[in-house]
Amino acid sequence: EVQLVESGGGFVQPGRSLRLSCEGYGFTFAEFAMHWVRQVPGKGLEWVSGISWNSAGIGYADSVKGRFTVSRDNAKGSLYLHMSSLTPEDTAVYYCVKDSSPVFIAVTASLDFWGQGSLVTVSS
Amino acid sequence: DIKLTQSPSSLSASVGDRVTITCRASQNINSYLNWFQQKPGKAPTFLIYGASGLQSGVPSRFSGSGSGTDFTLTITGLQSEDFATYFCQQNFIIPITFGQGTRLEIK
Repeated sequence: EVQLVESGGGFVQPGRSLRLSCEGYGFTFAEFAMHWVRQVPGKGLEWVSGISWNSAGIGYADSVKGRFTVSRDNAKGSLYLHMSSLTPEDTAVYYCVKDSSPVFIAVTASLDFWGQGSLVTVSS
Repeated sequence: DIKLTQSPSSLSASVGDRVTITCRASQNINSYLNWFQQKPGKAPTFLIYGASGLQSGVPSRFSGSGSGTDFTLTITGLQSEDFATYFCQQNFIIPITFGQGTRLEIK
């Protein structure tokens, strides 16, 4: 059974940084692209970032470009999102999502399994 | 960015009903349209890929159709566990984008 377990969320002040982690279980993590998607509670979904199986392909939403950095460690089966210069608009539940494809190309991206989410609250 | 507009934003239906949710894209996305279901407090689950492909394990009462800019998700014979919020999502081009969601409630 595929499981994605996020950690690292919490309360942070504006302008500070935070790193989210996600561990994948039940599948060969190194063979699949991965994504981060966020959701303001009670609102819609926003794709944040994606990374190919070998980290060669990476993409970001304009809203986080230059502030967020995605990375992965296939040996540890882990995905990361380093978030800096956080603002209240970054407050959301952040989901770690598995892709059905190894590459980070839109037309192959199927977000087939989601973690339970990690809440990030940015407030003074 | 490609904008996806779902309609209606919410609807009420009864167990056994047939319901249809529409998703319209701001430009041609061929068949690169997926559908998700989300229940309160839970992560989304993957229902439909490529506009009409049924994800493994998803009941056959769910179906999708469409291409280009207009797509539909149909649930035939609503079950109690189907009352949830449904999102469409395009993977034609980066950034991946989602519709605003359709909340399906019990009448």
